[in-house]
Amino acid sequence: GQSLEQPSEVTAVEGAIVQINCTYQTSGFYGLSWYQQHDGGAPTFLSYNGLDGLEETGRFSSFLSRSDSYGYLLLQELQMKDSASYFCAVNSGGYQKVTFGTGTKLQVIP
Amino acid sequence: GAGVSQSPRYKVTKRGQDVALRCDPISGHVSLYWYRQALGQGPEFLTYFNYEAQQDKSGLPNDRFSAERPEGSISTLTIQRTEQRDSAMYRCASSHSGGGPGGELFFGEGSRLTVL
Repeated sequence: GQSLEQPSEVTAVEGAIVQINCTYQTSGFYGLSWYQQHDGGAPTFLSYNGLDGLEETGRFSSFLSRSDSYGYLLLQELQMKDSASYFCAVNSGGYQKVTFGTGTKLQVIP
Repeated sequence: GAGVSQSPRYKVTKRGQDVALRCDPISGHVSLYWYRQALGQGPEFLTYFNYEAQQDKSGLPNDRFSAERPEGSISTLTIQRTEQRDSAMYRCASSHSGGGPGGELFFGEGSRLTVL
């Protein structure tokens, strides 16, 4: 089976940088994705890492280390609108099975 | 359509009744996923399809749950003899080529099921 671990809650100050970690255990690992979900909304895709290293998309970056079964999402220049839940998700079993973690609730404070 | 469409958005039913939840994916998307999400939790994988073929149903909780996608487009998740523990948000997602490289999942707004 698959298991993913993320911190349940993180609080950070507007304008700061925050890192949300994710460790996983799975067979047939293909890649790690990140999704954002605002309260009452649907999850939306942020990034995907299939290879080791850093992927940057604007204020958001995501990192993967396959040897450590570890990844993180880095959010820079935090804005109030970044307050949301963030989920890591592993692609496995022929890369199409996508299993989500329990999520990290990020609260951005002034 | 422009996005993934799910219906009904809200469903209240009595214990023991059958319910059918519908998902209309983004046109042309090959893969379709069903998830269940409890409040404050991540989406829990139920099953997924490529075209009309159900590739993995390992997440379906028990044999009261079933899903189909007969023509490779619209999908229906059916829950028979509903129980109170089935109450949750049921989310559908579609993807052009599966959740793999570049294949992000596009989620619908969900169907919130309440079993009394």
